[in-house]
Amino acid sequence: GNSVTQMEGPVTLSEEAFLTINCTYTATGYPSLFWYVQYPGEGLQLLLKATKADDKGSNKGFEATYRKETTSFHLEKGSVQVSDSAVYFCALTLIQGAQKLVFGQGTRLTINP
Amino acid sequence: DTAVSQTPKYLVTQMGNDKSIKCEQNLGHDTMYWYKQDSKKFLKIMFSYNNKELIINETVPNRFSPKSPDKAHLNLHINSLELGDSAVYFCASSRPLGTGGELFFGEGSRLTVL
Repeated sequence: GNSVTQMEGPVTLSEEAFLTINCTYTATGYPSLFWYVQYPGEGLQLLLKATKADDKGSNKGFEATYRKETTSFHLEKGSVQVSDSAVYFCALTLIQGAQKLVFGQGTRLTINP
Repeated sequence: DTAVSQTPKYLVTQMGNDKSIKCEQNLGHDTMYWYKQDSKKFLKIMFSYNNKELIINETVPNRFSPKSPDKAHLNLHINSLELGDSAVYFCASSRPLGTGGELFFGEGSRLTVL
């Protein structure tokens, strides 16, 4: 089946630290990969995505590269801010047929000033 | 203008009651979804509708009945509520099937069953 495994949280960092949140996937076909972010009290919103191998998604200083050989899509940011505190979800979808996002378990990130 | 809006935002009710959550999107999308987020933040799809037609039904108890009166609305009715139904329910919408596009989520409806 299709599944996503994320780094266990919670993750606590100081402002300006380097961030990596690991994500690996299992899929029967060729998925598109996503990172969604959920700020406190809000719904999820798309942070970035990549639709094929070696694509790099980027947004708001965050980056993730679609690595087919390691089935990974790790999220990175060079210098985090307090406002980045949120829950981050890695997800995949197979674009053939019904579109169904399969989420990882989420990683809570807290950034201290 | 909110793109995907859900009501109510909070719902507290007793076991055995019946309740509904409404969802509306003004993005012109054809496809809408219900996701359930449990207390550990794990998100799982429940249903998906495309142009008012059910296309995904993920082993959800038949106490849960989605209804889509038109492609801009997808409501969720829950009969005989149980303690385990306590969760945050998210509505979402997206462009047509097969495009691999972004899902737009509502702010969630927190259901607490006592």
